[in-house]
Amino acid sequence: GNSVTQMEGPVTLSEEAFLTINCTYTATGYPSLFWYVQYPGEGLQLLLKATKADDKGSNKGFEATYRKETTSFHLEKGSVQVSDSAVYFCALSLSMNYGGSQGNLIFGKGTKLSVKP
Amino acid sequence: DSGVTQTPKHLITATGQRVTLRCSPRSGDLSVYWYQQSLDQGLQFLIQYYNGEERAKGNILERFSAQQFPDLHSELNLSSLELGDSALYFCASSVGGGGSNQPQHFGDGTRLSIL
Repeated sequence: GNSVTQMEGPVTLSEEAFLTINCTYTATGYPSLFWYVQYPGEGLQLLLKATKADDKGSNKGFEATYRKETTSFHLEKGSVQVSDSAVYFCALSLSMNYGGSQGNLIFGKGTKLSVKP
Repeated sequence: DSGVTQTPKHLITATGQRVTLRCSPRSGDLSVYWYQQSLDQGLQFLIQYYNGEERAKGNILERFSAQQFPDLHSELNLSSLELGDSALYFCASSVGGGGSNQPQHFGDGTRLSIL
């Protein structure tokens, strides 16, 4: 079936450290890939996305590249800040070319990031 | 602010009861999605409505039902509640009927606690 696997957290880093959160997926068809972020007490916010192989999504210093050969979409940031502390979710969405599209998101379990000053 | 409004923010009730969660999508969005977030299951897709009609179904229990009204707001009805239904319920909306190019915008969720 279709699924997303993220590295287990929590991840604790010092401010200005380099961040990598691993994400791999299993999917039929041609998925789009997303990273969502959830700050405490809030809903999910779209952080970045990539819709086809080799696309790079980027936003607020975060980047992720859609790697079809390794079925991965790892999230990276060169220098994290305390304000980046949140839970990060990798997700995929399938678009099927027959009988309409299926837009619901399939999420990983989430990775909690804590950044210390 | 995502533009998606969910009410109430918190709901506390007892086993066997029935509750209704409400969602107003972003202005102009035709699709509404419902997700359940629990500690053991993570974020699970429940159901999608597009312009008033059911579009896709996920891991939604038979005790749960939803609908989307002509003004595009949606309600998720949970009945015969069990302790395991305690979770955060999110609503999301998107412009079209779905598809990988249409980002979903999430509300802040309704936290349901079953005592």
